[in-house]
Amino acid sequence: DAGVIQSPRHEVTEMGQEVTLRCKPISGHDYLFWYRQTMMRGLELLIYFNNNVPIDDSGMPEDRFSAKMPNASFSTLKIQPSEPRDSAVYFCASSLGLGQGAPQPQHFGDGTRLSIL
Amino acid sequence: SQQGEEDPQALSIQEGENATMNCSYKTSINNLQWYRQNSGRGLVHLILIRSNEREKHSGRLRVTLDTSKKSSSLLITASRAADTASYFCATGLSMGYSTLTFGKGTMLLVSP
Repeated sequence: DAGVIQSPRHEVTEMGQEVTLRCKPISGHDYLFWYRQTMMRGLELLIYFNNNVPIDDSGMPEDRFSAKMPNASFSTLKIQPSEPRDSAVYFCASSLGLGQGAPQPQHFGDGTRLSIL
Repeated sequence: SQQGEEDPQALSIQEGENATMNCSYKTSINNLQWYRQNSGRGLVHLILIRSNEREKHSGRLRVTLDTSKKSSSLLITASRAADTASYFCATGLSMGYSTLTFGKGTMLLVSP
């Protein structure tokens, strides 16, 4: 089975530019998560969706960040305008929900390494 | 603040030795999960232990959970160079669906 697919794997852009990160979750998973990983702060949850609906976006650092999930097989995380402090690795993960009757693991993509110059 | 904190931050051992990593957390949990992250890759789920369980095994992995001490340990027996990675614990808080809170991880280096 295909895992979680993220694109691009690497993105280097200049400050002020718009950045769009993409994620395709595992088919059949009804939860999708966006995380940011840095050395200083570790892995932080930015936002998560259930059945394509955003449930909690309290981890989104600023209004410059937005996320959408237009359908069950695609999500985007957008940063506009980007700043150097946004440089990090961004991960998407998906999981099944409690409908399975037990806590479920999360399945991660390989991330997008974002560098803002 | 981070719910889970791993100890040690870094661990260096020789192939064939056992590696033990610890995780402490602050509040009551429903389940605790361990993940591995190889350099440049995403996290991979290793094992999940529920709050009413004390020990679980999976291959060379052994996880224990002590809810009275709010701590868990991950033991990797007979380590291999391929086990070199960062290891994270993550806690799920409630009976209903909850997100996971990850610690900052333990970096394990296994030398041939």
